[in-house]
Amino acid sequence: EVQLVESGGGLVQPGGSLRLSCAASGFTFSSYWMHWVRQAPGKGLVWVSRINSDGSSTSYADSVKGRFTISRDNAKNTLYLQMNSLRAEDTAVYYCARLNVDIVAPDYWGQGTLVTVSS
Amino acid sequence: QSALTQPASVSGSPGQSITISCTGTSSDVGGYNYVSWYQQHPGKAPKLMIYDVSNRPSGVSNRFSGSKSGNTASLTISGLQAEDEADYYCSSYTSSSTLEGVFGGGTKLTVL
Repeated sequence: EVQLVESGGGLVQPGGSLRLSCAASGFTFSSYWMHWVRQAPGKGLVWVSRINSDGSSTSYADSVKGRFTISRDNAKNTLYLQMNSLRAEDTAVYYCARLNVDIVAPDYWGQGTLVTVSS
Repeated sequence: QSALTQPASVSGSPGQSITISCTGTSSDVGGYNYVSWYQQHPGKAPKLMIYDVSNRPSGVSNRFSGSKSGNTASLTISGLQAEDEADYYCSSYTSSSTLEGVFGGGTKLTVL
């Protein structure tokens, strides 16, 4: 069974940092591209970042470029999102999602972790 | 990148059919057959309901169907049931972003 479990969310002050983790199991993690998607309270889904299977290629939404860094450890089956210089508008539930390249869309999602940026 | 356009809300009575539209451009919906639909219940993760415009993953009810015409994709739910009440999001591959994907703004389905 495919499982994605996010952790690392919490309350952080504006300008602070946080690192999210996503532990994957039930599939060959090193074969899949992965995404981070966020959802602000009461709002829609927004792509944040994606990484290819071996970590050699990454991409970011303009709103987080230069502040967030996506990475992965295929030996540990874990995806990361390092978030620096956090702003109030980064407050959201952050989901990790597995990209199915055959359908060019995420097919499995974690349950999400809440990040709240507030003083 | 700009989100795909969905109606904010739709509603229907049990047993009826509803359709949710998702309008994009030739750089996304109109240019590729990589449109997906997700169902999200409150406090839950999104669930893939339709991929490649009209295909259902294993385990998804055949009451859910998808189609596309030009730059607009559609999700139809027939025989509405109370458990179908949720938010629905369309997504498409896009050549306009290095993230390769764009979501719609979401549609709240209310089963009356």
